[in-house]
Amino acid sequence: GESVGLHLPTLSVQEGDNSIINCAYSNSASDYFIWYKQESGKGPQFIIDIRSNMDKRQGQRVTVLLNKTVKHLSLQIAATQPGDSAVYFCAEWPLDDYKLSFGAGTTVTVRA
Amino acid sequence: NAGVTQTPKFQVLKTGQSMTLQCAQDMNHEYMSWYRQDPGMGLRLIHYSVGAGITDQGEVPNGYNVSRSTTEDFPLRLLSAAPSQTSVYFCASSYRVGAEAFFGQGTRLTVV
Repeated sequence: GESVGLHLPTLSVQEGDNSIINCAYSNSASDYFIWYKQESGKGPQFIIDIRSNMDKRQGQRVTVLLNKTVKHLSLQIAATQPGDSAVYFCAEWPLDDYKLSFGAGTTVTVRA
Repeated sequence: NAGVTQTPKFQVLKTGQSMTLQCAQDMNHEYMSWYRQDPGMGLRLIHYSVGAGITDQGEVPNGYNVSRSTTEDFPLRLLSAAPSQTSVYFCASSYRVGAEAFFGQGTRLTVV
C-alpha cells in the first residue's frame, strides 16, 4: 500500500492495495471525528466515526486511527477498489462548539 | 424515509436577484446546518440551527439569512446574489450536536 505522511490533496493507489489518508485536526477540544466520502456530483457520505476516548475503530474494509497527542487522524482502506475513487474529508466536532468543521479533503484515484 | 432533501438541484441567478434554497429532513433531527463548497476546498459552515426557532452564524454567514420555524425545514435565503456566492450548497442534519451528520445532494448555484 501507499502511505501518506502529512495531509496531501491527492492520492493515487493501485487497485487491491491498501490506502492511508491522513488528516491533522486543529482543536484539542474536539470530541468527535467523522470521515466522509464524496463522489462527483453528490453530497458527502458517512464512512466511519470515532470518539476521543478511543484510538482505533474498524468498519467494513475501513479503519480509523486517532492520535490525540499530535492531533492526527487517519483513514485506512483495505484492498482499495475502483468504487473507492472519491474525495475523502475528515471532520471534527468540538465538545464546546456547535460547529462541525471539515478539512480540505484528499482526492483518491484508484488505478486499474 | 427520504433523509435530507434539497431543492433545487441547479439554479442560475443574475446579480442582485434573491432566492431561497430549500432543505427538508424527515428524521426528526434537532440540528441542521448549511455549508458551501468551492472548487478545491472543503466545506465551510454558513449557518446552523440547534432546534426550531434557534439559529446562529457559522464561518461564512455574510450575504445569507436563515430561519427555522419547524424541525423539518431549514431554508437558506440569498437576499441579493453576488458572483462570489457561486458555489455548491449542502444542507446537513444530525439528531443532536456531536452526532453523525447526514447530507443532502446539494444545490449548484451560479450567479452571473
